[in-house]
Amino acid sequence: ETGVTQSPTHLIKTRGQQVTLRCSSQSGHNTVSWYQQALGQGPQFIFQYYREEENGRGNFPPRFSGLQFPNYSSELNVNALELDDSALYLCASSSGTSGGAFETQYFGPGTRLLVL
Amino acid sequence: QKEVEQNSGPLSVPEGAIASLNCTYSDRGSQSFFWYRQYSGKSPELIMFIYSNGDKEDGRFTAQLNKASQYVSLLIRDSQPSDSATYLCAVGLGYNNNDMRFGAGTRLTVKP
Repeated sequence: ETGVTQSPTHLIKTRGQQVTLRCSSQSGHNTVSWYQQALGQGPQFIFQYYREEENGRGNFPPRFSGLQFPNYSSELNVNALELDDSALYLCASSSGTSGGAFETQYFGPGTRLLVL
Repeated sequence: QKEVEQNSGPLSVPEGAIASLNCTYSDRGSQSFFWYRQYSGKSPELIMFIYSNGDKEDGRFTAQLNKASQYVSLLIRDSQPSDSATYLCAVGLGYNNNDMRFGAGTRLTVKP
């Protein structure tokens, strides 16, 4: 176990709805990154938060947004859900001094989202 | 061309053999390189990272990096059935490596 937790574990939504996924980082970690992993593919970087600010973003549309709270937990929000948003959503925490400390990145168990 | 490419496999090796996993990347500005293991239905776990050209060893695992050839590999010595998993290669991009790109993974099966 990495100490990174995510909720919920599974979620079913319909197209057009909105969803919020949550991540609690490992104790002492100030950086959270979010990834989308489609079946049979590697994780795709969505964005990263460092000390409550977005610190980098992958090729995802603006309907993917996030927050990081003072305790360094984080939320991923997806608006106007599409069928292709069905995937495993992973968050990973790390203890960056200036963000991007991937060398100590620990993944949570993920949230599996199904969009019907 | 994909940013990070791996053979999808499956790669099958007998128990005790050396498993060799390969990865190529397209961005010459890449600074950091990672290997993750992902068991079916689980999240990725970090095996090791490498930043400099050459070899880096950690137990039964050796990562090799050749930046000129844009190539990184992972060798697993004395493979065990418990090593059967999907192995993901990841490359850190961007300022302070705040953008990480993964390959699609290579599925490894170690047969007893």
